[in-house]
Amino acid sequence: QSALTQPASVSGSPGQSITISCTGTSSDVGSYTLVSWYQQQPGKAPRLMIYEVNKRPSGVSNRFSGSKSGNTASLTISGLRAEDEANYYCSSYAGSTTFVVFGGGTKVTVL
Amino acid sequence: QVQLVQSGSEVKKPGSSVKVSCKASGGTLRSYSVAWVRQAPGQALEWVGGIIPVLGVVSYALGFQGRATITADESTNTAYMELNSLRSDDTAVYYCAGDRDRSFHSWGQGTPVTVSS
Repeated sequence: QSALTQPASVSGSPGQSITISCTGTSSDVGSYTLVSWYQQQPGKAPRLMIYEVNKRPSGVSNRFSGSKSGNTASLTISGLRAEDEANYYCSSYAGSTTFVVFGGGTKVTVL
Repeated sequence: QVQLVQSGSEVKKPGSSVKVSCKASGGTLRSYSVAWVRQAPGQALEWVGGIIPVLGVVSYALGFQGRATITADESTNTAYMELNSLRSDDTAVYYCAGDRDRSFHSWGQGTPVTVSS
């Protein structure tokens, strides 16, 4: 069982916006701004999409945005495209004993 | 951006050890921390541990302390992750990743490790 809770699946039609939640505790998401989101296509290595809650690495579309409120972080994908279909994982720093925790992953389906 | 190239797939017997390498190009290990993350078949990502080569500081997830050893060789720009006392549930793809403030900006291609008798 993963430390961070994500919905197993989220779906949307092309052009729509979807939001994936990532719920932790006051020991991880709630205490740090070191929340990241990763996209993983089948058989591929993960790709960083968002870091430090809401920052996008170079080359990542501005259709991807991140936010955080309390113990829950969120990833929003706007203008959904077929190429966005993938698994998405959140992660958070969790202090100097546990260090890094991941969510269980969310499968995004474009209808 | 640093590129990370990992060693090839491994098949091991239960109780044995595996050592996976991760060579950096387009940058030096001194510029990066390196994390190791694994993914069992059909499962989520799991952080194993990481190293800050320039400081020689290593950290491990609680479940891997005493069984995993992470090292780095700056002369060859290569990081290593060794896992001992292998069990069937260690079967996974093991990734190295460039770690910047606990976000993983660049990833190796992954090394499949199969533990089977």
